Amino acid sequence: QQQVKQSPQSLIVQKGGISIINCAYENTAFDYFPWYQQFPGKGPALLIAIRPDVSEKKEGRFTISFNKSAKQFSLHIMDSQPGDSATYFCAATLDQTGANNLFFGTGTRLTVIP
Amino acid sequence: DTAVSQTPKYLVTQMGNDKSIKCEQNLGHDTMYWYKQDSKKFLKIMFSYNNKELIINETVPNRFSPKSPDKAHLNLHINSLELGDSAVYFCASSQDRRAGGDEQYFGPGTRLTVT
Repeated sequence: QQQVKQSPQSLIVQKGGISIINCAYENTAFDYFPWYQQFPGKGPALLIAIRPDVSEKKEGRFTISFNKSAKQFSLHIMDSQPGDSATYFCAATLDQTGANNLFFGTGTRLTVIP
Repeated sequence: DTAVSQTPKYLVTQMGNDKSIKCEQNLGHDTMYWYKQDSKKFLKIMFSYNNKELIINETVPNRFSPKSPDKAHLNLHINSLELGDSAVYFCASSQDRRAGGDEQYFGPGTRLTVT
């Protein structure tokens, strides 16, 4: 059972455009929502994260919008660059006796065309 | 310096063999994890250890056995390898959640191919 649903599966954006990736979850016990970026042949790396008591978080060109009542959150990449081309994963996490049980979305492959 | 390292990076082996993947972190973290990424890029947690104690054990065949000799190491041993075990395996680490550790740091992955 997929705990976190992510869309779209792939996304092609022109350089300078806005990339938007959406995620939805069901389990209201989730208390931390990170986004990870993964380049080919590399491990995922944390990009930006948000807690459910905040509706928006911005770091540079990356913004998370969080809608707690709808159980949805999204990643916006402003002024998208070719170097942003990667696979993006949303995730949600539960505290489990000191460990984070990370549930990942299915990933979005972003291609930014020069 | 590499924060989370895994060896080997590539592993090609035949069905029925037993193999191990090693993971080490030099971040001083208390918690370590193993994830499996399948051919469709789906990432799923397999195991988590906190201070050498097994915390999370998702539905994974018992052919997979994690071993944590100390807080800095979490190795993954796989017995009787099957074709479906072919995937990329990632090790990760984080601070104890109770100490404010949310971010997980991932290793570079080990691509396992079973023929």
